Amino acid sequence: DGGITQSPKYLFRKEGQNVTLSCEQNLNHDAMYWYRQDPGQGLRLIYYSQIVNDFQKGDIAEGYSVSREKKESFPLTVTSAQKNPTAFYLCASSMGVGPLYEQYFGPGTRLTVT
Amino acid sequence: ILNVEQSPQSLHVQEGDSTNFTCSFPSSNFYALHWYRWETAKSPEALFVMTLNGDEKKKGRISATLNTKEGYSYLYIKGSQPEDSATYLCAFDTGRRALTFGSGTRLQVQP
Repeated sequence: DGGITQSPKYLFRKEGQNVTLSCEQNLNHDAMYWYRQDPGQGLRLIYYSQIVNDFQKGDIAEGYSVSREKKESFPLTVTSAQKNPTAFYLCASSMGVGPLYEQYFGPGTRLTVT
Repeated sequence: ILNVEQSPQSLHVQEGDSTNFTCSFPSSNFYALHWYRWETAKSPEALFVMTLNGDEKKKGRISATLNTKEGYSYLYIKGSQPEDSATYLCAFDTGRRALTFGSGTRLQVQP
């Protein structure tokens, strides 16, 4: 089955530790995205990548880093510089050119930092 | 950061009621407007992508309209069913091919 996998579903870390969230897709999509959701808020864009070896900061990139070494993988590292890392993180992918694209989302990872 | 606003925040309706939600977005630098449905314990799924002023899209009992000049889109659900219960998200693209989402409208349909 084609889709997007994120692991783990729940992640717990101590404050001050970096943590990497996994996102893998087998849809052969070129573009991949990371969003964060906090209670009562919409999805906020952290980083996105339109092609391998290239990525751009989204609206709330501070305290996060990404890499895009393979088309199917887009891991997100939450660094100790991120002031409020506890949140629900969603990965997405899309393909095609022009404005008529749909984003496909993974199941998400809920990160808790104490 | 762009401001995409959705109203109402939440809505409770009875089965069979028709309902509509609003998404407001900046009218400048318009590229595309997306609607997604997010059911509890599932991932968001695309409903519509609209690009042209006056666009109307329909999928079953759900339809959407777009006014890019005044910066709004409406989502309509005709004859709501319990399975329509979800959070409906709109999202705006200025051309960077990445989305700015609103905070969503949470719909609950009572049987």
